[in-house]
Amino acid sequence: NAGVTQTPKFRVLKTGQSMTLLCAQDMNHEYMYWYRQDPGMGLRLIHYSVGEGTTAKGEVPDGYNVSRLKKQNFLLGLESAAPSQTSVYFCASSYSVSVFLGVPQPQHFGDGTRLSIL
Amino acid sequence: QKEVEQDPGPLSVPEGAIVSLNCTYSNSAFQYFMWYRQYSRKGPELLMYTYSSGNKEDGRFTAQVDKSSKYISLFIRDSQPSDSATYLCAMSAKGKSTFGDGTTLTVKP
Repeated sequence: NAGVTQTPKFRVLKTGQSMTLLCAQDMNHEYMYWYRQDPGMGLRLIHYSVGEGTTAKGEVPDGYNVSRLKKQNFLLGLESAAPSQTSVYFCASSYSVSVFLGVPQPQHFGDGTRLSIL
Repeated sequence: QKEVEQDPGPLSVPEGAIVSLNCTYSNSAFQYFMWYRQYSRKGPELLMYTYSSGNKEDGRFTAQVDKSSKYISLFIRDSQPSDSATYLCAMSAKGKSTFGDGTTLTVKP
């Protein structure tokens, strides 16, 4: 059971380049999330999805796009990378609230993608 | 003002010490409270999870929630070098979690 797998683990981009980060989970979770983690700023939610084919904006969505074409995959795209997007990106997944009668479910995280933009 | 404030640390303690990690929050809608542990260059992993005021114990770890004071704590007894990590508090409302910035703990042998 791999849990949440993120690829790639490391990447260096030049300003203006584009790339896609892939997240895959094998726990049949409905909810998936993308966060960025920066020193002194904790985990900040970029986008999230409550089911296949649905996405929503989080706290810091600007400059990012996401897609959830399959239940197990959640893609994060950077269309035109900027140095301010240098960060560690974490994907997480969880069971849906509705399955557990409204009880929020804890999130399971991948090990992150370390992205540097020069 | 952030919805969740976590004692920033860092903390450095000798092996065997009792450690107290703390968070305060301002959003009364938070119903569920979690502690995650994050080792260097790894993702956060869920350590403890509670949804009521009071204490919850799991081995050397005790999570304490005081909803009236909007204050949560994680206590680690008999701390070990393997407990050295960053600890994140998190709180949930309406299906979304808000995280504290984390406290880095070092337990010295």
